[in-house]
Amino acid sequence: GAVVSQHPSRVICKSGTSVKIECRSLDFQATTMFWYRQFPKKSLMLMATSNEGSKATYEQGVEKDKFLINHASLTLSTLTVTSAHPEDSSFYICSAGTGSTDTQYFGPGTRLTVL
Amino acid sequence: DAKTTQPPSMDCAEGRAANLPCNHSTISGNEYVYWYRQIHSQGPQYIIHGLKNNETNEMASLIITEDRKSSTLILPHATLRDTAVYYCIVSKYAGGTSYGKLTFGQGTILTVHP
Repeated sequence: GAVVSQHPSRVICKSGTSVKIECRSLDFQATTMFWYRQFPKKSLMLMATSNEGSKATYEQGVEKDKFLINHASLTLSTLTVTSAHPEDSSFYICSAGTGSTDTQYFGPGTRLTVL
Repeated sequence: DAKTTQPPSMDCAEGRAANLPCNHSTISGNEYVYWYRQIHSQGPQYIIHGLKNNETNEMASLIITEDRKSSTLILPHATLRDTAVYYCIVSKYAGGTSYGKLTFGQGTILTVHP
């Protein structure tokens, strides 16, 4: 149980375009979802937290107009990187909590490369 | 959330127990100890967590000292597939949607060799 998927697993886009990444909880309802970013050889950094039906809470230094997060249902959250630039190239990972247990489960990650 | 300190790297022979230490001397009473691992280019995998008592599941055992200032993750029979970065994280959970943040440090790179 507690499986989280992400789509796509890899995406390459041109500078200036927008990219949408989906995070789904497959066998549970995710009341809370988190988005992280990981640069090469670095640790995961939390970008934002979202509760279903509410606006996301962004960490300091994360531009909310650039990284749009939507958590419209209990099984789906999306992260849209708007006007992507090469410095946005990174590994984006989501995690989800069920709201009834104290554990967060992570997705497999999405590798974004901006040319 | 309290910070944790882990050794940057450890080696272990295949088939032997891997004991990964973690210090969390500033842990507060309502903070859990979580262990995750990350295999190269994958999302973190949940291993185990605990509050006060020792815990065991199909993957590992977690030993928490009585004062809760340190813990040890034990992989009883390490395999080559256990080679990964292991993260010890201290975080609150207040119930419902009140999750504490998971702050990832640099973790311990565990290398299991034949």
